[in-house]
Amino acid sequence: QVQLQESGPGLVKPSQTLSLTCTVSGGSISSGNYYWSWIRQPAGKGLEWIGRIYTTGSTNYNPSLKSRVAISVDTSKTQFSLKVSSVTAADTAVYYCARDVAYGDYIDYWGQGTLVTVSS
Amino acid sequence: QSALTQPASVSGSPGQSITISCTGTSSDVGDYNYVSWYQQHPGKAPKLIIYDVAKRPSGVSNRFSGSKSGNTASLTISGLQAEDEADYYCSSYTTSSRIFGGGTKLTVL
Repeated sequence: QVQLQESGPGLVKPSQTLSLTCTVSGGSISSGNYYWSWIRQPAGKGLEWIGRIYTTGSTNYNPSLKSRVAISVDTSKTQFSLKVSSVTAADTAVYYCARDVAYGDYIDYWGQGTLVTVSS
Repeated sequence: QSALTQPASVSGSPGQSITISCTGTSSDVGDYNYVSWYQQHPGKAPKLIIYDVAKRPSGVSNRFSGSKSGNTASLTISGLQAEDEADYYCSSYTTSSRIFGGGTKLTVL
């Protein structure tokens, strides 16, 4: 059973960089069958796709966030990470990491989510 | 890219059927058979209930079904049960990207 767990600071100051890590267990992060994705959800609002990374390091980003987002992968640690720069209160949300099936393009496993609040 | 369009809310009585629509464009829903649906209960992570427009993952009730016509995908839940009360999100592939719908709150009366 694949499990994903987000970790990182729950509070980030405005203008700083938000950094989160997702640890994957129960499955190989190096499998070519999957992308590894980040999605966020502000309180009381809908899901927003942030971006994803393939095992080769190739990335796709939401065009509206592309200039501020970077996703990386460390296959030796079975982890992938998210950085969002120049954060504002609008970046306050629950952040989910997830496994995205490459051939079919759907998310089959999600982390439990972690709340990140942007505030001084 | 704009979010896919879903009704904000739908409701139904136990035993009834409901349908949630998800309208996109010819660049996403209309161009790919890569529509998926997710169920989210309060405080929980979303759960995959439909993928590739109409396929059900193992373990998902056959009361959930999906379809697509043109730029609009639909999720139908038959035999409504109290446990179906949740938020539902559609999602579609679009060139090298993914887009979600705004979500629909299902109330079981």
